Amino acid sequence: QVTLRESGPALVKPTQTLTLTCTLSGLSLSTSGMSVSWLRQPPGKALEWLALMDWDDDKYYSTSLKTRLIISKDTSRNQVVLTVTNMDPVDTATYFCARIPGYSSSRKYWYFDLWGRGTLVTVSS
Amino acid sequence: QSVLTQPPSVSGAPGQRVTISCTGSSSNIGAAFDVHWYQHLPGTAPKLLMHGNNIRPSGVPDRFSGSRSGTSASLAITGLQAEDEADYYCQSYDSSLSAVVFGGGSKLTVL
Repeated sequence: QVTLRESGPALVKPTQTLTLTCTLSGLSLSTSGMSVSWLRQPPGKALEWLALMDWDDDKYYSTSLKTRLIISKDTSRNQVVLTVTNMDPVDTATYFCARIPGYSSSRKYWYFDLWGRGTLVTVSS
Repeated sequence: QSVLTQPPSVSGAPGQRVTISCTGSSSNIGAAFDVHWYQHLPGTAPKLLMHGNNIRPSGVPDRFSGSRSGTSASLAITGLQAEDEADYYCQSYDSSLSAVVFGGGSKLTVL
């Protein structure tokens, strides 16, 4: 079965760094054309794309958040990790990882055919 | 607010047809960038419902259809079923933002 699963802390304090892990099952990060994105959805708001890492170690970031994001992968564990620095209450959201089918480096072709269930992260002191 | 605008809620009785609109602008849908749709039941993984405006992935019933015209797109659901009750999101690309953009979501209630 092909799945993505997000994991990480449910609660972080303001100014702390958030680290989230996306674990792939039935898929390999080493496969040519494979990519994993991170997205988030604050309560009652729209989904927002955050970052992407592809099989070739190329990385792409949201323009508005790129100074706070780091995406990396551990191919041996089939995991993609997102780090968000200097967390703020406005970063409270459900964070998802997702795959783009037939991945192209051009964002205008991106859509997401496989998603994880998401993990809710609350930022509060 | 969202770059793409959706009605917060839509509803219909079983068996009826409903449409969910997604309104953008000249820098996204109006620029002929593709629109994609997702179905999401909170607590579960979002599901790709439609891509490339009107292409159904394998396994999506043909009760679901998509269209795009001008600066708007629509998702139509015919023969409404109780299991269709979910949140629906549209997605496209915005050339002014150079970003993937989403609608705010529409909650479909099956009466």
